[in-house]
Amino acid sequence: NAGVTQTPKFRVLKTGQSMTLLCAQDMNHEYMYWYRQDPGMGLRLIHYSVGEGTTAKGEVPDGYNVSRLKKQNFLLGLESAAPSQTSVYFCASTYSTIGSSRGYEQYFGPGTRLTVT
Amino acid sequence: GQQLNQSPQSMFIQEGEDVSMNCTSSSIFNTWLWYKQDPGEGPVLLIALYKAGELTSNGRLTAQFGITRKDSFLNISASIPSDVGIYFCAGQRPGTTDSWGKLQFGAGTQVVVTP
Repeated sequence: NAGVTQTPKFRVLKTGQSMTLLCAQDMNHEYMYWYRQDPGMGLRLIHYSVGEGTTAKGEVPDGYNVSRLKKQNFLLGLESAAPSQTSVYFCASTYSTIGSSRGYEQYFGPGTRLTVT
Repeated sequence: GQQLNQSPQSMFIQEGEDVSMNCTSSSIFNTWLWYKQDPGEGPVLLIALYKAGELTSNGRLTAQFGITRKDSFLNISASIPSDVGIYFCAGQRPGTTDSWGKLQFGAGTQVVVTP
């Protein structure tokens, strides 16, 4: 079991460039999440997905798009990168069953460090 | 979004000392989670708490779900150098299905252990 994996680990973009971050999980989890982590701010939810083909906005969705074409993959896209999007991005996943207490236990990937110049 | 109030922000301790940190909110939660993040890595789940008053241990770590449901505490006993890292609390608030599965996070406590 690889758990949650993310590619790439590091990336440098120029302002206005686009890129896609890939998250993959092999735990058959229904729910997947994208967070960004900035110093002193903890983790902030960008977008999430409650199942294949569905996505929803989180706390800080502006400037990002996501897709969940396959259950095991969750993609985060930046169409036109801005310096404010310099951050560390984490993907997470969790069990699906509504009402199941273990559904709150999110498992994180190793992160992608993105710098936008 | 609302963040949990986590304190202290940082701690410098000597090896062998005990460590305590806490997380508070003005709202009630029905789940509390504690994560540890090593430098350059993603957060790793340490302890999950599901009932008010619950006390759970994981090795030298002990966490408690506050009886008011508005706070949680994490203790590390007899710290060792590998305890260094950032510890995050996270909570799940009761509510609608829209809020289900979404966690709120504290800003983290940076722990530095000196020999």
